[in-house]
Amino acid sequence: KQEVTQIPAALSVPEGENLVLNCSFTDSAIYNLQWFRQDPGKGLTSLLLIQSSQREQTSGRLNASLDKSSGRSTLYIAASQPGDSATYLCAGGFSNFGNEKLTFGTGTRLTIIP
Amino acid sequence: EPEVTQTPSHQVTQMGQEVILRCVPISNHLYFYWYRQILGQKVEFLVSFYNNEISEKSEIFDDQFSVERPDGSNFTLKIRSTKLEDSAMYFCATTPLSSGSFIEQYFGPGTRLTVT
Repeated sequence: KQEVTQIPAALSVPEGENLVLNCSFTDSAIYNLQWFRQDPGKGLTSLLLIQSSQREQTSGRLNASLDKSSGRSTLYIAASQPGDSATYLCAGGFSNFGNEKLTFGTGTRLTIIP
Repeated sequence: EPEVTQTPSHQVTQMGQEVILRCVPISNHLYFYWYRQILGQKVEFLVSFYNNEISEKSEIFDDQFSVERPDGSNFTLKIRSTKLEDSAMYFCATTPLSSGSFIEQYFGPGTRLTVT
């Protein structure tokens, strides 16, 4: 059974700092990984999608990497802002069938301190 | 930008009652999912649906749950006899049909179901 883990559960960082969020998975046969942002009581906003053939993806101040051999993905946020405060979720697809379900981690609740 | 919509945003129901949660997928999307998130817990997969039939379902998706696409636009999740433990946020997600590569899943804003 595939498991996705995110540690720490919560993180506080002063505004302006760069930070890294971690995601680990038990099955190195992961095919794809998607990072989401969730604001309190709200839905999931997709941030980045990394396919297994890629090692990283970038969007603005965000950069996500995928290392299948070590079972890890990271989300790097540059020059953090108070508006980045949210819970960040990673989710993996473990089949090469393109429309595979996602297996989610528990999330990291990020607080940017002004 | 096209988005997935869900109604209602919040539903309160009594234990034992039937509820129907509705989702309107993005117009050219053909693959649909329901997930749920119990307060403070992980987002969990319930069911995926393609071509008017269930593609995959989790162990959570028992006989109390059903899905359908009644009119070619809405995608619904029905819970026949709600239990207290069904209280959760329910998310609909959709994707275009994949040609083999993984396709980004687009999530709706969710329906918060409270069973009393």
